[in-house]
Amino acid sequence: SQQGEEDPQALSIQEGENATMNCSYKTSINNLQWYRQNSGRGLVHLILIRSNEREKHSGRLRVTLDTSKKSSSLLITASRAADTASYFCATEGGSEKLVFGKGTKLTVNP
Amino acid sequence: SAVISQKPSRDICQRGTSLTIQCQVDSQVTMMFWYRQQPGQSLTLIATANQGSEATYESGFVIDKFPISRPNLTFSTLTVSNMSPEDSSIYLCSGELGGTDTQYFGPGTRLTVL
Repeated sequence: SQQGEEDPQALSIQEGENATMNCSYKTSINNLQWYRQNSGRGLVHLILIRSNEREKHSGRLRVTLDTSKKSSSLLITASRAADTASYFCATEGGSEKLVFGKGTKLTVNP
Repeated sequence: SAVISQKPSRDICQRGTSLTIQCQVDSQVTMMFWYRQQPGQSLTLIATANQGSEATYESGFVIDKFPISRPNLTFSTLTVSNMSPEDSSIYLCSGELGGTDTQYFGPGTRLTVL
């Protein structure tokens, strides 16, 4: 069954604005990962945050993790049209297997 | 990181036939997995491909329908057997580099069953 639940399901913003996507999960995790998927193609790994970490940065990406609330957020700053994609969170609970959320479809308008 | 390729990238098949999808990794990964992504949906894990032994299937997936092979550390195949239109999906393989916890994904195989 799906563990992660992203919200919003869809987000439309203007280029230059920030985009925030949230992910909630149900059980304990070892790590949480964010992926991007362009138009039904393969997934691109964006960032991994471990259960003992609270925040991580990679370029224009900022991920936070709150294990007490079982939630994570992905912030994309200064968005570009090329950021238009679906974004998925995935949790790993110790079995090496990933459980994916339903995803957020981001549209960045030029 | 790991670079993963899949063949074919897409196919259109007739009901009742089978299709074998190949997954090749450019480095030796400890774990390989197969996922299904139905239209407009998220990814669902089909099975873990174990090197030299039978794959480990998730609930709702069986070996007769989705036989998997993994003869070495860098290659795996997934067969979708006796296909029906409900099998129309994107099938993705992934590999995890040992010690990184990070899974890298192939570009996917888009399957349409008529």
